[in-house]
Amino acid sequence: DAKTTQPNSMESNEEEPVHLPCNHSTISGTDYIHWYRQLPSQGPEYVIHGLTSNVNNRMASLAIAEDRKSSTLILHRATLRDAAVYYCILRDHNAGNMLTFGGGTRLMVKP
Amino acid sequence: GAGVSQSPSNKVTEKGKDVELRCDPISGHTALYWYRQSLGQGLEFLIYFQGNSAPDKSGLPSDRFSAERTGGSVSTLTIQRTQQEDSAVYLCASSLVGAGGGTDTQYFGPGTRLTVL
Repeated sequence: DAKTTQPNSMESNEEEPVHLPCNHSTISGTDYIHWYRQLPSQGPEYVIHGLTSNVNNRMASLAIAEDRKSSTLILHRATLRDAAVYYCILRDHNAGNMLTFGGGTRLMVKP
Repeated sequence: GAGVSQSPSNKVTEKGKDVELRCDPISGHTALYWYRQSLGQGLEFLIYFQGNSAPDKSGLPSDRFSAERTGGSVSTLTIQRTQQEDSAVYLCASSLVGAGGGTDTQYFGPGTRLTVL
């Protein structure tokens, strides 16, 4: 799977939107963009994924650049419970099925 | 509904002893994965089971590590002759299909924290 680059950490105020960036300049045409997050002392949990078009679900939105070399996870209204490490992962549709985690972004939410 | 469960939640052992960690995947999920997360480190893939196919063991760090999955459901990760560097949180995940990595969603258990003294 191609490599992703994320900031080590970000801060947000409670009830404000958060934009978590991810760069993946070597993405291939068959790579899906997945986001997982890991709350303190828990296993990772799936957030959202997309291929080319922007995606929305109950947890977040995923905005994908037109050239697909970057994407942004958007939390519309951060809560204290959203404090976690967020991982941006590329998954080739045709490759092995394990997740390859990078360092992720540690999101801190201030009340 | 029931998620992925793992037992024990915590395990403390002495160096050189063997340990077994258990994972109960979500019912009906054909794919099962083991990962580990060392203190302050990222998650590292260990092994992957898909249906009746031979497991992908490419992530196992040494021959002291092994895993089996009986009846396509419960899995056990065994670490023989444990070393202090084996101390980590061992996470299990399952997914419905497994094949076709692009859209497959993995569901993680809470992990087993292993401490080797």
